[in-house]
Order: sequence, then structure tokens, then C-alpha cells
Amino acid sequence: GAVVSQHPSRVICKSGTSVKIECRSLDFQATTMFWYRQFPKQSLMLMATSNEGSKATYEQGVEKDKFLINHASLTLSTLTVTSAHPEDSSFYICSAQRGGGNQPQHFGDGTRLSIL
Amino acid sequence: KNEVEQSPQNLTAQEGEFITINCSYSVGISALHWLQQHPGGGIVSLFMLSSGKKKHGRLIATINIQEKHSSLHITASHPRDSAVYICAVRGSGGSNYKLTFGKGTLLTVNP
Repeated sequence: GAVVSQHPSRVICKSGTSVKIECRSLDFQATTMFWYRQFPKQSLMLMATSNEGSKATYEQGVEKDKFLINHASLTLSTLTVTSAHPEDSSFYICSAQRGGGNQPQHFGDGTRLSIL
Repeated sequence: KNEVEQSPQNLTAQEGEFITINCSYSVGISALHWLQQHPGGGIVSLFMLSSGKKKHGRLIATINIQEKHSSLHITASHPRDSAVYICAVRGSGGSNYKLTFGKGTLLTVNP
């Protein structure tokens, strides 16, 4: 159990394009979903935390107008990279948590975004 | 802010060897995770522990809360164990549910 599906797995697109990434919890209801970014040979960096039905909480230095997060249901959160530029190229990965407190996070397979 | 240090950064082993990866953190935590990230990028959660020791197959994770230290052991290592192993800690108290990640240990097991 506790499967998280992330789609698409890879995106290559032109500068200026907006890209939407979906994160779904397939067999559980995710009260909280997290979005991370990982640059090559670096650790995961938390971008934002989203709770179903409320606005996402962004980490310092992450532009909320650039990275739009929608957690519309208990099984789906989306991250939209608006007007993407080459510096947005990175590996984006989501995780989902059932309930609050000290529940484990379950990770998706990630999305490799390349902006030309 | 918790600082998470992993060692070694890179580890190469021969098939069958016993592997140990270490993780130290600077501030008290409510839980520690060991994660496995394969070359494609997907992450699998191996263990979540807050005290003592856990075992799953050939993997063993231990934690010493007083010393702020955890180890991940792999017995009888196999080439399919080759991956990046990441230690992540969750803060204690209040809304401190966020994970702080180490930089990972790249393990290569040669046949």
C-alpha cells in the first residue's frame, strides 16, 4: 500500500511554456503533500507544503506565483511551473502523507524537467 | 535548523560485503527516515524510526537518540543495492513536520 504516482516522468519544453506536474496518492487519502526540487548531486529541497482545501505554504525563496500548487482533493496535488526558464530545469518530486503528526511520507517517482 | 551529515559520500563495495552508512544530526528529532533513490530518481522509503533498531530483509537501521546518530547496514550486499541512500530527519514538537535531508551516500556494489 501507500503508492504515490507522479506524472509526467519527464518533460522537455521551450522557454516560456507552463508545465503542470500531477501527484496522486493511489490507495490512501493524503492530508498533506510536499513538493521538493533536487539539483544534480544535491539533497532534496522542500519547495512547499500543501494541505487539501487550503493554500500551500511556501518555503523561503520559493516564488508562489512561479510555482503554483493546487491540492484540490485528498488524492491529488498539482504543481504548475509558470513561464518556465532554463534555470527551472531540475528534478521535481512529490510526497504524500496520510494524516498529520509523525506519519511517514510516501514519495512519487519524480519529474525531470528540462527547459530549452 | 537541523544539520544532517552523512558519511561516506561515496562507497564502493564488492558483492557480499557488509555495508554501513552513517548519519548524524544536530538537533533533537521526532523521527529519522532512511530513503533509497535509484538512478531514475524515484525514492523508496526504507525505514522510519525514532528509537532502537529495525530490520527488513538484509537491511538494518539503528538509531542512538542521545548521540544523535543513526546507521544503515546492508548485509550480503548485491549489485541491485546500488543506489543513493538518503537520511532525513523530522523535527520534534509543534508543526515541525518537515523533513531535513542529508546529501546522500552513493553506493556502488560490484559483482
